[in-house]
Amino acid sequence: AQSVSQHNHHVILSEAASLELGCNYSYGGTVNLFWYVQYPGQHLQLLLKYFSGDPLVKGIKGFEAEFIKSKFSFNLRKPSVQWSDTAEYFCAVGYNTDKLIFGTGTRLQVFP
Amino acid sequence: KAGVTQTPRYLIKTRGQQVTLSCSPISGHRSVSWYQQTPGQGLQFLFEYFSETQRNKGNFPGRFSGRQFSNSRSEMNVSTLELGDSALYLCASSVTGAEDEKLFFGSGTQLSVL
Repeated sequence: AQSVSQHNHHVILSEAASLELGCNYSYGGTVNLFWYVQYPGQHLQLLLKYFSGDPLVKGIKGFEAEFIKSKFSFNLRKPSVQWSDTAEYFCAVGYNTDKLIFGTGTRLQVFP
Repeated sequence: KAGVTQTPRYLIKTRGQQVTLSCSPISGHRSVSWYQQTPGQGLQFLFEYFSETQRNKGNFPGRFSGRQFSNSRSEMNVSTLELGDSALYLCASSVTGAEDEKLFFGSGTQLSVL
């Protein structure tokens, strides 16, 4: 079955530290890739998405993600996190006509 | 433009009861998807409706059902509630439901089953 894995369940960082959240998916041919974020008390928002083209995708708030096809990965990165980045981050994969499959999420806590 | 609206925000039910959740998509959006969010399982797809028809279905038991009305509003029903049904239920809408479209999520309905 198609699946999405986020191996980091809980990440704690200090402000200005660099961030990388892992996302791996099972093979399923052509995929569309997404990162969503949920800030405390708010609903899910799209951070960035990849469909084709340049595998390095820039999103909002300084986030970026790199699609590495050979590794079936779509890791999320940010060079310097801020306290306001404290949130839960979800990786999602779309396989052909199936609906999005989400990872279990990674909770990020950033301390000033 | 108003966002995706879900009602109610919170629900407390007991085992065996049934519950109906409501979702009003963004005006002009015809696709409505439902997701269950739990700490252990993350976000899991329940089903998707488009033009009053269920177009996709996730791997949930038949106790979970839904429908969509002509104005694109959608309801989700869970019958014979179990403790494990406690979760945040999220609704998302998009214009046509195409995979490359951005999903707009509501704030969710937090269901607690006692």
